[in-house]
Amino acid sequence: DIQMTQSPSTLSASVGDRVTITCRASQSISTWLAWYQQKPGKAPKVLIYKASSLESGVPSRFSGSGSGTEFTLTISSLQPDDFATYYCQQYNSYSTFGQGTKVEIK
Amino acid sequence: QVQLKESGPGLVKPSQTLSLTCTLSGGSISGGSYYWSWIRQHPGKGLEWIGYIHYNGNIFYNASLKSRLSISIDTSKNQFSLKLTSVTAADTAVYFCARRGFNYGYFDYWGQGTLVTVSS
Repeated sequence: DIQMTQSPSTLSASVGDRVTITCRASQSISTWLAWYQQKPGKAPKVLIYKASSLESGVPSRFSGSGSGTEFTLTISSLQPDDFATYYCQQYNSYSTFGQGTKVEIK
Repeated sequence: QVQLKESGPGLVKPSQTLSLTCTLSGGSISGGSYYWSWIRQHPGKGLEWIGYIHYNGNIFYNASLKSRLSISIDTSKNQFSLKLTSVTAADTAVYFCARRGFNYGYFDYWGQGTLVTVSS
């Protein structure tokens, strides 16, 4: 099984900050990686797929990069609506999610 | 607009079978190339992929749940279902149904989720 490890688990930031979340895979997954945003009581929403492709309708302040085993999600200028939990997901072999990164208000 | 909605009991007794159904609206479950998926989230925890099914009958299960798991599809009702046997408190979670592309592996449409509690 492919394991996904996100860091940090929690991130405190202010509106306007540049935020970066890292996701590492236990083996190479090429660019078969997606990022999701989840707010309390809601289903996750896909932001990025194939490591760096922006899902339709997602603000351009979200971007993704990486390949192989190391990936990042960057929010260029954090907005109030962005305080949420973020998950990575590999889909190279079935599906596995990272444990999540909670972005909270500093 | 594609919409998915989970339904089923919110409370299941230990050792019994958890049964959930997901109903698709705004599309056909046998149209297009998609895997119809189940994902769960334990309270306050991360996401766990359970399994998915294609309308042609191909099914893929999470190996850790495979011995207790059954996913089926009813194209006439535009629904797919999950059965998990011999449940314990560890199966208490919010269960989501979702759509995954045949040619892309991420989940682009999700149901709202339904909380299932395992308790006597």
